[in-house]
Amino acid sequence: EAGVAQSPRYKIIEKRQSVAFWCNPISGHATLYWYQQILGQGPKLLIQFQNNGVVDDSQLPKDRFSAERLKGVDSTLKIQPAKLEDSAVYLCASSLDRPNEQYFGPGTRLTVT
Amino acid sequence: QKEVEQNSGPLSVPEGAIASLNCTYSDRVSQSFFWYRQYSGKSPELIMSIYSNGDKEDGRFTAQLNKASQYVSLLIRDSQPSDSATYLCAVANDYKLSFGAGTTVTVRA
Repeated sequence: EAGVAQSPRYKIIEKRQSVAFWCNPISGHATLYWYQQILGQGPKLLIQFQNNGVVDDSQLPKDRFSAERLKGVDSTLKIQPAKLEDSAVYLCASSLDRPNEQYFGPGTRLTVT
Repeated sequence: QKEVEQNSGPLSVPEGAIASLNCTYSDRVSQSFFWYRQYSGKSPELIMSIYSNGDKEDGRFTAQLNKASQYVSLLIRDSQPSDSATYLCAVANDYKLSFGAGTTVTVRA
C-alpha cells in the first residue's frame, strides 16, 4: 500500500514570496491533515479535511495561508506572502476516519530567507 | 496549561535498559492515545495506539493508560541504538489530535 505522498521535499523562498505544497493521501483515507512542525516542537494542526469539507481550521493563519482539497483526494496548502517565522516542516497526514490513527507523509522543509 | 505535556528529556539510557516515557493530558474527555517515533529529519511514525485503561504490549514496546490520572506512558524494553529518536505523545478527542513536544531518547551502546 502506497503511503502519503508530498512534494516538494524542500523549498527555499524569500520573504513575501508565495509557495504551494501538494499532498496525496493513502488511498481510501477520508480525512486529511496539514501540520506545521517547528524545530523542537510537536506538530501543530493547521487544517483538517473530512472528504471535501473543512473540519477544523482554527489554527490556520487565514490572512496568509489557504488550503483546498478537491474531489476529496489530493490537497494543496499555500502560503502567500511568506514570513520568516513560516520556516518549518509542513507535514501532511491521512486517516481512515477522524481522529483515527494518522499516517504521515515525508514532509516539506520550508526555509524562508 | 498545555493540552499534552511530556517529560522534557533528553533521556539517555544504556543499551539493553528500559526507557520510560511519560505524558499527561488536560482534556478529560480524550478517547484515543498514540505514540509516534520521529527520527531526526524524518516524519512521525505511528508505533502504538491505546484506547482503554491498562497496558498494551507490542514487541519491546508497552503503552500504559490511566484515564483517571490523565496519564499515558511508553516503556521501551531492551533498548537498542536504533530506538534513538524523539517520541511524540498524541491525544485525541472527538475530532482533533493534539501532540506533545516530544521526548528525545538516546540509547548509549
